[in-house]
Amino acid sequence: AQSVTQLDSHVSVSEGTPVLLRCNYSSSYSPSLFWYVQHPNKGLQLLLKYTSAATLVKGINGFEAEFKKSETSFHLTKPSAHMSDAAEYFCVVTSNTGNQFYFGTGTSLTVIP
Amino acid sequence: SQTIHQWPATLVQPVGSPLSLECTVEGTSNPNLYWYRQAAGRGLQLLFYSVGIGQISSEVPQNLSASRPQDRQFILSSKKLLLSDSGFYLCAWAPGTDTQYFGPGTRLTVL
Repeated sequence: AQSVTQLDSHVSVSEGTPVLLRCNYSSSYSPSLFWYVQHPNKGLQLLLKYTSAATLVKGINGFEAEFKKSETSFHLTKPSAHMSDAAEYFCVVTSNTGNQFYFGTGTSLTVIP
Repeated sequence: SQTIHQWPATLVQPVGSPLSLECTVEGTSNPNLYWYRQAAGRGLQLLFYSVGIGQISSEVPQNLSASRPQDRQFILSSKKLLLSDSGFYLCAWAPGTDTQYFGPGTRLTVL
């Protein structure tokens, strides 16, 4: 079975400092992995996705994530946090058929001025 | 380009009343369609997904149902709402086995 674990339910960083949101996955095949962002009372927006091409994936708004098969991790990073980055972030893995998407429980990011 | 619509944006309903939430997608054909529910402060729970007209897979048994009467229309329904049905309902579409794209969501409050 496939699943994702977001290791931190809440992360606080100061504006201008690096962001690290951690995600570990479990899968018996080579999955597709995604990070989504959700601002309050909004739908989810795709930040980036990994689909077995380059292991370092660059997304929107300066975010990137590195797929590490040996560690079964797909952590999201950003060199310098901006106030507008404050939101809920979800790590997602697909099923082996690709038709279903399994979400982590989310990480709430707070950016302190 | 593709767009996804959900309505209504917000809804307040009494316990025991019926529910109908609608989701439509434009600019694509034969998408996979999904309904999720997000309770306050919680992650997303997949409720239903559909790979074609009339094909509905239910992930969680409850008093909700889904239908896909047209290729790009996905409807979430209930005959009698419960307090526990309150939440943020998100519709999403995917072009087959690829990225999901989400609608703006419907905030449902059951009183």
